[in-house]
Amino acid sequence: NAGVTQTPKFQVLKTGQSMTLQCAQDMNHNSMYWYRQDPGMGLRLIYYSASEGTTDKGEVPNGYNVSRLNKREFSLRLESAAPSQTSVYFCASMGLTSSTQYFGPGTRLTVL
Amino acid sequence: KQEVTQIPAALSVPEGENLVLNCSFTDSAIYNLQWFRQDPGKGLTSLLLIQSSQREQTSGRLNASLDKSSGRSTLYIAASQPGDSATYLCAARNFGNEKLTFGTGTRLTIIP
Repeated sequence: NAGVTQTPKFQVLKTGQSMTLQCAQDMNHNSMYWYRQDPGMGLRLIYYSASEGTTDKGEVPNGYNVSRLNKREFSLRLESAAPSQTSVYFCASMGLTSSTQYFGPGTRLTVL
Repeated sequence: KQEVTQIPAALSVPEGENLVLNCSFTDSAIYNLQWFRQDPGKGLTSLLLIQSSQREQTSGRLNASLDKSSGRSTLYIAASQPGDSATYLCAARNFGNEKLTFGTGTRLTIIP
């Protein structure tokens, strides 16, 4: 039981490049989330998906797109990376019967 | 809009002492409040979750309390150990909302 996994662990991009962050969970959870964590600002929600086939914007969605590929996988795409998107990105999931969110190990992204 | 504050941002205490971490929230219509631990370079691990109908939750040396009327939650750590050194974050979830609002965390250092 791996829980929530994220790939890659580290990534360096140049301004304007694109990339997709991958997230998968094996706990049969319905809800999945993408957060970014910046120093002094805590975790902020980018997008979330309450169920397969649905996605909703969070607090800071600009510059990002998401895809809920199936119940297990939720990807985050940066179409044209900007230095302001340098951050640590966390994926999380939550089941219907539990209010606890489970987090992945994070992806450290640097945009030059 | 829910806002969550954690003060102080950093705390150092000698090993063996009992300590309290604070979390304040502005909207008392919370569904639950969750405490997480984050080790450097790692993801978040859920420690305790208190539902709105509960006053406290305990797990081992940890005890979390919730006072909705005053907009406060505390995390009490008994007999602190060096292994307790980490950043502790609290997060509030409101009724009718899947999203968590995080505080910026308290970085705890236990001095051997």
